[in-house]
Amino acid sequence: QQPVQSPQAVILREGEDAVINCSSSKALYSVHWYRQKHGEAPVFLMILLKGGEQKGHDKISASFNEKKQQSSLYLTASQLSYSGTYFCGTELRGGNQFYFGTGTSLTVIP
Amino acid sequence: GAGVSQSPRYKVAKRGQDVALRCDPISGHVSLFWYQQALGQGPEFLTYFQNEAQLDKSGLPSDRFFAERPEGSVSTLKIQRTQQEDSAVYLCASTKGGYKFGYTFGSGTRLTVV
Repeated sequence: QQPVQSPQAVILREGEDAVINCSSSKALYSVHWYRQKHGEAPVFLMILLKGGEQKGHDKISASFNEKKQQSSLYLTASQLSYSGTYFCGTELRGGNQFYFGTGTSLTVIP
Repeated sequence: GAGVSQSPRYKVAKRGQDVALRCDPISGHVSLFWYQQALGQGPEFLTYFQNEAQLDKSGLPSDRFFAERPEGSVSTLKIQRTQQEDSAVYLCASTKGGYKFGYTFGSGTRLTVV
């Protein structure tokens, strides 16, 4: 039931773009995205509640394909501050259950 | 308070010792969650409170783990007879209500059992 994220790790140069995918084997009600820097707690980025919904702030956005049970996080023109581990979190449809994904380590270098 | 506060920040326990971890959620947040995060892994669900009611404790790994939130605000996670496999970061999070709002996490308690 834990969603699978891909890629597991990615290294970018400043200004490059990245996409992180989150895929679940179960029907989803909502998807959350979090970023965790080393030694710190996860920080909430955004939540997507409806299939097809897209959200974003600054240069980070996300989409939710309810039919495919997938979500993607888009980071454009990456900055050094984007480095960290990104987790999706999925609330399952039909049950009060929430699971964090396997994580994607993103490193932005100058 | 302004954020979720956890204490202690670090705890070293000898195997077999009992420990108590405290979480003080954001004022007015009715939902409180405990997660366990092993090194390099995502957070894993332990238990969930709505006010003082423990609605889900399915993630607690054994009967050595116990959580309470007697007055619907501060919560305590207690681990009895700690074992080495209990070593992890324990994260507390709160929301305005359930999973429909993003979690605000505390800084966590890093527990090391020696």
